[in-house]
Amino acid sequence: LAKTTQPISMDSYEGQEVNITCSHNNIATNDYITWYQQFPSQGPRFIIQGYKTKVTNEVASLFIPADRKSSTLSLPRVSLSDTAVYYCLVAPWGNAGNNRKLIWGLGTSLAVNP
Amino acid sequence: GAGVSQSPSNKVTEKGKDVELRCDPISGHTALYWYRQSLGQGLEFLIYFQGNSAPDKSGLPSDRFSAERTGGSVSTLTIQRTQQEDSAVYLCASSLRGGSSYNEQFFGPGTRLTVL
Repeated sequence: LAKTTQPISMDSYEGQEVNITCSHNNIATNDYITWYQQFPSQGPRFIIQGYKTKVTNEVASLFIPADRKSSTLSLPRVSLSDTAVYYCLVAPWGNAGNNRKLIWGLGTSLAVNP
Repeated sequence: GAGVSQSPSNKVTEKGKDVELRCDPISGHTALYWYRQSLGQGLEFLIYFQGNSAPDKSGLPSDRFSAERTGGSVSTLTIQRTQQEDSAVYLCASSLRGGSSYNEQFFGPGTRLTVL
């Protein structure tokens, strides 16, 4: 099972671009990379998912290099409301049989300052 | 449409008592997950259901923990003889499909369990 490593915390200011990198050296061929956002007293919320290269949606971009041993979540022009914990999750796609044991890292606590 | 709901939102119990935590997934979601999150920590996977079946129970911390799902919908996580170290937020998530594909998980608000 792939394990992930992320910075424990990051600080930023409103309007800046924030990049959070996740290391997953043991990622498997059928693993996908998913990022979630969690606010205090709430469950995590899906942000973006990808397998390789670059994925972009209305809230973020996800960059995955060719070796897939890391990934970077990019949040453009953050605001105060982006202050949250961000989790990188590596999990299998495709017919993974019965193995759905998902290993979450500790996440990155992002603080956006005025 | 309603999201994932969990009840109770808060539960305070005495050490040694049994507790039941309930999860109502999004209608039509066949996959259901239980997680535990201690204060300031990441998510600890507990168990996964595909329909009513739980193929992998190895994430459950001890034999005091059990879970069931009926009718492919509601799930109950039971903790017997609670201990203080069981205090945490218990999160439930559902997704449209599991097993054959990894889909987005939708999380409930969690149940905060405090064992005195």
